[in-house]
Amino acid sequence: EAGVAQSPRYKIIEKRQSVAFWCNPISGHATLYWYQQILGQGPKLLIQFQNNGVVDDSQLPKDRFSAERLKGVDSTLKIQPAKLEDSAVYLCASSSGWGTEQFFGPGTRLTVL
Amino acid sequence: AQSVTQLDSHVSVSEGTPVLLRCNYSSSYSPSLFWYVQHPNKGLQLLLKYTSAATLVKGINGFEAEFKKSETSFHLTKPSAHMSDAAEYFCVVSDSGGYQKVTFGTGTKLQVIP
Repeated sequence: EAGVAQSPRYKIIEKRQSVAFWCNPISGHATLYWYQQILGQGPKLLIQFQNNGVVDDSQLPKDRFSAERLKGVDSTLKIQPAKLEDSAVYLCASSSGWGTEQFFGPGTRLTVL
Repeated sequence: AQSVTQLDSHVSVSEGTPVLLRCNYSSSYSPSLFWYVQHPNKGLQLLLKYTSAATLVKGINGFEAEFKKSETSFHLTKPSAHMSDAAEYFCVVSDSGGYQKVTFGTGTKLQVIP
């Protein structure tokens, strides 16, 4: 079974630039999560999708972050414009439903200069 | 509303001695509870989970956790620490209610001294 795929693995940008991250979950997993993990902290849930609908985006900074999951499969997270404090690892995870294990991708390490 | 509190940000134990990582939670609904481990520069991996079956849950690598509803706790234990256990551990709660929200704890960094 293929795992959760994410790209790119690393990204360095200047502040005020835009960036996009891509995630392909495990086949058949209805639930997809995006997390932000700042160095030394636990993952913070940014957005949770159930199929292609948003379940929770209460911690997503909607003035600069956006995410979509077209067709209920892969997903894109965008930051526009980026700030220095957005430097973090962005993790994508998927699960087959409530109470089931989340499988995490390798993450994208973003550095904003 | 739900929340999870990991009571210790750092725990240091000697190799071969017991490990105890503490986690308290609050949840409006019957929760699912998880422990994940993150080794340096590695991805997050599930250690164990509780989903309303047996209250004592056994996981990988000799870890186990006990769900205590009266104490709203889900502490992670291991009888004997190994050097390879050095990592960061996260307690996670997921509500069974409508949105099935997921909340991570702030993490406990486990150091194992030889």
